[in-house]
Amino acid sequence: AQSVTQLGSHVSVSEGALVLLRCNYSSSVPPYLFWYVQYPNQGLQLLLKYTTGATLVKGINGFEAEFKKSETSFHLTKPSAHMSDAAEYFCAVSESTSYGKLTFGQGTILTVHP
Amino acid sequence: DTEVTQTPKHLVMGMTNKKSLKCEQHMGHRAMYWYKQKAKKPPELMFVYSYEKLSINESVPSRFSPECPNSSLLNLHLHALQPEDSALYLCASSQVIPSTDTQYFGPGTRLTVL
Repeated sequence: AQSVTQLGSHVSVSEGALVLLRCNYSSSVPPYLFWYVQYPNQGLQLLLKYTTGATLVKGINGFEAEFKKSETSFHLTKPSAHMSDAAEYFCAVSESTSYGKLTFGQGTILTVHP
Repeated sequence: DTEVTQTPKHLVMGMTNKKSLKCEQHMGHRAMYWYKQKAKKPPELMFVYSYEKLSINESVPSRFSPECPNSSLLNLHLHALQPEDSALYLCASSQVIPSTDTQYFGPGTRLTVL
């Protein structure tokens, strides 16, 4: 069975500081991993995804994530936070046997201070 | 165009009402999904349609009835709902079902059951 744990339900950073949002997964088969962002009262937008190949994945808006199999992690980073990055971020996992089912972590709310 | 549209944006209904939520995409996707998202929680999968046929039903109560009349449309019929069914209902679509596919989300319908 697949599952996702996001460490830290709230993360606060200053504008221009490094953003680090943590995600650990559990999967019995090679996982496919996703990061989505949700702005208030909106749907989810894909930031990036890892399926196979290069373990460092670059996404939109300057975000990137690295798949580390040995640590079962897929942490999301951005070198310099912007006020517009304030939102809720969800890590999600799917498996080749799950027929498209995404399992989401509990989410991390990112606050960016001026 | 990577847009999934949902109507209505907001819906208030009584426990004896019958209402429907509508989702539409024109990206040629053949997989469509309904998710339920309670406040401060991640989305939870309800139903998956693949090529207009119900593929996954995550043990959803029968007061929720999905329908996929064609490849672009997905409906969710609601009847005799309970107040605990109040939530944001998200529709998503992907090209097909494989777990590597990106799911594109609509903005959601915020449902309140009185």
